[in-house]
Order: sequence, then C-alpha cells, then structure tokens
Amino acid sequence: GEDVEQSLFLSVREGDSSVINCTYTDSSSTYLYWYKQEPGAGLQLLTYIFSNMDMKQDQRLTVLLNKKDKHLSLRIADTQTGDSAIYFCAESKRSNYQLIWGAGTKLIIKP
Amino acid sequence: DTAVSQTPKYLVTQMGNDKSIKCEQNLGHDTMYWYKQDSKKFLKIMFSYNNKELIINETVPNRFSPKSPDKAHLNLHINSLELGDSAVYFCASSTGTIEETQYFGPGTRLLVL
Repeated sequence: GEDVEQSLFLSVREGDSSVINCTYTDSSSTYLYWYKQEPGAGLQLLTYIFSNMDMKQDQRLTVLLNKKDKHLSLRIADTQTGDSAIYFCAESKRSNYQLIWGAGTKLIIKP
Repeated sequence: DTAVSQTPKYLVTQMGNDKSIKCEQNLGHDTMYWYKQDSKKFLKIMFSYNNKELIINETVPNRFSPKSPDKAHLNLHINSLELGDSAVYFCASSTGTIEETQYFGPGTRLLVL
C-alpha cells in the first residue's frame, strides 16, 4: 500500500541541527518533497529530490535519500526560531497526479 | 502577482448551508487540487483535476463537488454543510508533469456552526 510516515514532533535547541525523518513504501516514487507550513499559513515547497539522487544541499538544508531503505531525511543546520513550523514529507507517483503525504512533523525550537 | 489564490480566506456558516470556495492560479499549470487539513493538521487530498479529467478521492462525500470553468480555476462547492466539514481547505496546482511540484494557496478556514 501507499504510506508515508513521519514522527509528529521534534524538539531542538536554537542553534542545533534538526533532522526530520520520513519513510515511504512505494519504491516507484519519482520525486520526494519537503514542504513547510508555518502557523496559520499555507504549505510552501522547501526542497525536493529526484529518486536517482542520494543527497541534495541548499544553504542550511540537506536532504538525504536512502532508496534501499526508503528513508528520506531533512537536516536543517543552525536551527532558528523562524524554522518553527510543520514539515511535511511527500512522494510523487508516476502513474497519476497525486502526492502521497506524511502527517507532518512539528518542529519546536527551544531557546 | 499571487501564484495560487483562494477566496474567501475565512468562512463561517451555519449547518445545512451551501457554500463555495474559489481558487485561481496564474502559473499556467494544467493540474489543480483540493486538500482538506483537519484540526490535527493531517492533509488529505479531495480532488485532482487535469485537462477535464477528475480524480476523486472516494472517501469524499458527494456533497463536495469541484467545478472548473477553465484551466486556471477550480472551485469547490459544498452542499448541506456539516459540523465535521470544519477544516482548512487548500487549493494547489502543478504542471502535471513528472516533477509534480505543487504550489499551494493560502487556505480557506471554514467553520461550520
């Protein structure tokens, strides 16, 4: 079946690195995404990775993909209070136009 | 120059009423979507619409119906509103290509009393 799983909460200290993990079940996924939702706002595409890559870096963000284990992670270096949000993992399917979404991980920043 | 816009932003209404939420995208995308996000922040796709092909999530009650007057618009009509319909509804669009990055609207917060 189709399933994307994430932990519901992650708490980190300001300045530390945050690592948000995601597992998925469909090995035919083409793209994997991280979306960010700030309080009271819509979802915003943060980054994505194509399934034939294993790493993508963009400033403070590093995405790691382990296709064998179907594991995706998002690392945020030097976490700031502005990073407080819910982070959604999603995978795309070649066969239709839908994304399969995780439940979202709420990132809590401690001072 | 908003990419995906929705109106209204907030909607408070009585049970049993019929309401519509409008969505417009100016990105030239071929595919549009409606999502429902409940109070626990779970995101559930309701519909996707591409070139007149409608894909419906079978768990969505038939009180909900999408209407697409043209490629840039996908409106959501809800009949006989129920308390459980209270949620945030997001519209999104994508190119419909293999990349399938979706761009989201700001959401419509619906409260049914």
